[in-house]
Amino acid sequence: ETGVTQTPRHLVMGMTNKKSLKCEQHLGHNAMYWYKQSAKKPLELMFVYSLEERVENNSVPSRFSPECPNSSHLFLHLHTLQPEDSALYLCASSQSTGGVNEQYFGPGTRLTVT
Amino acid sequence: DQQVKQNSPSLSVQEGRISILNCDYTNSMFDYFLWYKKYPAEGPTFLISISSIKDKNEDGRFTVFLNKSAKHLSLHIVPSQPGDSAVYFCAASLGGGGNKLTFGTGTQLKVEL
Repeated sequence: ETGVTQTPRHLVMGMTNKKSLKCEQHLGHNAMYWYKQSAKKPLELMFVYSLEERVENNSVPSRFSPECPNSSHLFLHLHTLQPEDSALYLCASSQSTGGVNEQYFGPGTRLTVT
Repeated sequence: DQQVKQNSPSLSVQEGRISILNCDYTNSMFDYFLWYKKYPAEGPTFLISISSIKDKNEDGRFTVFLNKSAKHLSLHIVPSQPGDSAVYFCAASLGGGGNKLTFGTGTQLKVEL
């Protein structure tokens, strides 16, 4: 138990659906992250939020829309996804984005786009 | 182009022996390196890290070695235990803050009885 939870753990959606992934951290951290892990590929950073403000968008398509209403919660809104978006989506948090500090990961949401 | 590479997708070691996991990187601007461990159905968990100003960091059974001239780091686990069986990810960070990590593809370690 890392103090970072993600729901749902598994999600199957069609290409025309709209769904949201939720992440919550109970560590009092100020920074939150979304990563994507596709099969046999390294974790890819998607978004970084610091104190609820987006500080990094790694050229992610607009069909992925993040939202950070407060420092404990992070959402990833999904719409009109493609089958190649099927992957494990991991949320992480850290004390801050200043310097380097360890990131704590949630268990991930396994997304399948049909 | 992958900046952090873990060329061995899997490694099998006997219990009690040393496990050595390797990682190579191409960007000489990386100044901090981390190892994460991942069990199935769980997210990666932080294991150990090393700053580029050091060449070794030790924490219990885990030691990370950094060879900057070769752009190579390794994680040594000794003695290896069955509970160490997991996927190990190497990650690197650029200086200047932002806390952005570049990950390798991972090495599956299996510790056999």
